[in-house]
Amino acid sequence: SYVLTQPPSVSVAPGLTARITCGGIDIGSKHVNWYQQKPGQAPVLVMYEDSDRPSGIPVRFSGSNSGDTATLTISRVEAGDEADYYCQVWDSSSDYVFGSGTKVTVL
Amino acid sequence: EVQLVETGGGLIQPGGSLRLSCLGSGFIASSSYMNWVRQAPGKGLEWVSVIYSSGSTYYANSVEGRFTISRDSSKNSVYLQMTSLRVEDTAVYYCARDGTGTYYMDVWGNGTTVTVSS
Repeated sequence: SYVLTQPPSVSVAPGLTARITCGGIDIGSKHVNWYQQKPGQAPVLVMYEDSDRPSGIPVRFSGSNSGDTATLTISRVEAGDEADYYCQVWDSSSDYVFGSGTKVTVL
Repeated sequence: EVQLVETGGGLIQPGGSLRLSCLGSGFIASSSYMNWVRQAPGKGLEWVSVIYSSGSTYYANSVEGRFTISRDSSKNSVYLQMTSLRVEDTAVYYCARDGTGTYYMDVWGNGTTVTVSS
């Protein structure tokens, strides 16, 4: 089965840039999607197909994907960005696969 | 407004059965790929099952043979029949829409909690 690896946590000061990585074998050949989940809430799609933002998601959120690593970048981090972030791909042998999640803490 | 509402969660003993429902509004559920995703307490997201617009169904290995996904187009609803429940099935169960084979989930419900305990 296909495995996605994320760092457990990322800490960033307000106004700076947070980068959340998602590792997988040849992940660059797949479309990567990202979800934000705040405590007690359902996940929200914040990036799809590597670098496309759904309507309503700030331009501060951007995505990239190449080789064995995909990255979600949050520029000019705000307190409201504090949440868990999950990457996700579709794999023909595993169907929908989620990463283990990264907790973003705004210092 | 596109919306999903899950119901049917509760406390159930190990070995028991439960059926979860997901009511869609603002779109046609049978034209979408509809998923169930769960989240155990303090853990990450785990995909459980999907029903395609074609009617094909797929399951995670952890629930294969115990859970069944289905839909009722007349009610714009999707269901998850869960049998032989285990303590490790305890989780919040979310219903989530994948538009039409785009393989990302753009609409999520608020979830329903299933607790398997004696």
